[in-house]
Amino acid sequence: GDSVTQMEGPVTLSEEAFLTINCTYTATGYPSLFWYVQYPGEGLQLLLKATKADDKGSNKGFEATYRKETTSFHLEKGSVQVSDSAVYFCALSGPSGGSNYKLTFGKGTLLTVNP
Amino acid sequence: NAGVTQTPKFRVLKTGQSMTLLCAQDMNHEYMYWYRQDPGMGLRLIHYSVGEGTTAKGEVPDGYNVSRLKKQNFLLGLESAAPSQTSVYFCASNPGSYNSPLHFGNGTRLTVT
Repeated sequence: GDSVTQMEGPVTLSEEAFLTINCTYTATGYPSLFWYVQYPGEGLQLLLKATKADDKGSNKGFEATYRKETTSFHLEKGSVQVSDSAVYFCALSGPSGGSNYKLTFGKGTLLTVNP
Repeated sequence: NAGVTQTPKFRVLKTGQSMTLLCAQDMNHEYMYWYRQDPGMGLRLIHYSVGEGTTAKGEVPDGYNVSRLKKQNFLLGLESAAPSQTSVYFCASNPGSYNSPLHFGNGTRLTVT
């Protein structure tokens, strides 16, 4: 079945540092890939997505590129801020799961950014 | 536009008690889902629905039941709560495309003592 593996945290950075959170996946067919962010006490919200190989999703300074050859979708940001402190989830959704469009999530990575 | 609304936000149950969690969405989405979130486990799918009147089991369905009598509502029931069901529960919806993201509610924090 489909699966997502993302780097375990927690990750602690200083403000303006470079961020990478690794994500790799296993899936049949051609899944869509997502990064979600969860701020304390809130639900998950979409950060960015990519729906086909070599697509780059971007939002709020975050970027991730859909790499089919390495089955990866690593999240990057050039300069993090304190307000980026949150839990980040990598997820995939694809037709291999039939017509039910379920998302498969990684376990999440807690990011803390210190001033 | 409220999006996905979950009630209640918090609940404490004693072992063996029952309760129903309500999820309502106002986006006319076809698909709705219930996930549970536990430390170190990420999100795991409990049950989902692909339309009014339909339900299906997800990854961890045991101990839960669901109903989708109206398109906008998706109910999650615990008939006899157990401490292992202590978790944060999230409802989500999707218009019916694997390219579309899920829209999540803010969660229900349930403690079973």
